[in-house]
Amino acid sequence: EEQLVESGGDLVQPGGSLRLSCAASGFTISHHYINWVRQAPGKELEWVSLMYGDGTTYYIDSVRGRFTLSRSTSENTLYLQMNSLRAEDTAVYYCGSGYGFLLTWGQGTPVTVSS
Amino acid sequence: EILMTQSPATLSVSPGERATLSCRASQSVSNNLAWYQQKPGHVPRLLIYRASDRSTGIPARFSGSGSGTEFTLTISSLQSEDFAVYYCQQYNNWPWTFGQGTKVEIK
Repeated sequence: EEQLVESGGDLVQPGGSLRLSCAASGFTISHHYINWVRQAPGKELEWVSLMYGDGTTYYIDSVRGRFTLSRSTSENTLYLQMNSLRAEDTAVYYCGSGYGFLLTWGQGTPVTVSS
Repeated sequence: EILMTQSPATLSVSPGERATLSCRASQSVSNNLAWYQQKPGHVPRLLIYRASDRSTGIPARFSGSGSGTEFTLTISSLQSEDFAVYYCQQYNNWPWTFGQGTKVEIK
């Protein structure tokens, strides 16, 4: 069974950094498309970033230059390094697998950016 | 960026009735359209992809239709477990974008 487990969410001050992890089991992340989607409190879903199996990455404009995807094939884990965090980055961050649409989702990890 | 607009924002329906949810794209997305269901405090669940294909394990009372810019999700006979928020999402042009959601509530 394919599973994804996120971790790393926390309370951080504006301008701070966090690294989120998305650990996969039941499949190999380098053979799949892995995505990050976030949801601010009471708001709709927002696609944040995507990594192809070949390592190509895509980001939405509001996080490009601040967020960076990377992965560890040995740990079968995708990372989202988030720098220069802003209040508007406050959300539950989900990772999910799939190209275009997400069949498999993690349970989410909360990020709060506040002083 | 393609803007996805869902209507209505809230739909009040009695159990057993039919629910029709609409989603409009600001430009054509072909049939690259998905629908998700999200209950409070839960992870979104994929219902429909490619505008009309049901995801694994999704009951037949859920159906999707449309192409281009106009899409519909129909729930033929609402069950108690169907009361939730529904999101459409396009994956034709990056960035993939979601609609703002339609809340289906008990009438």
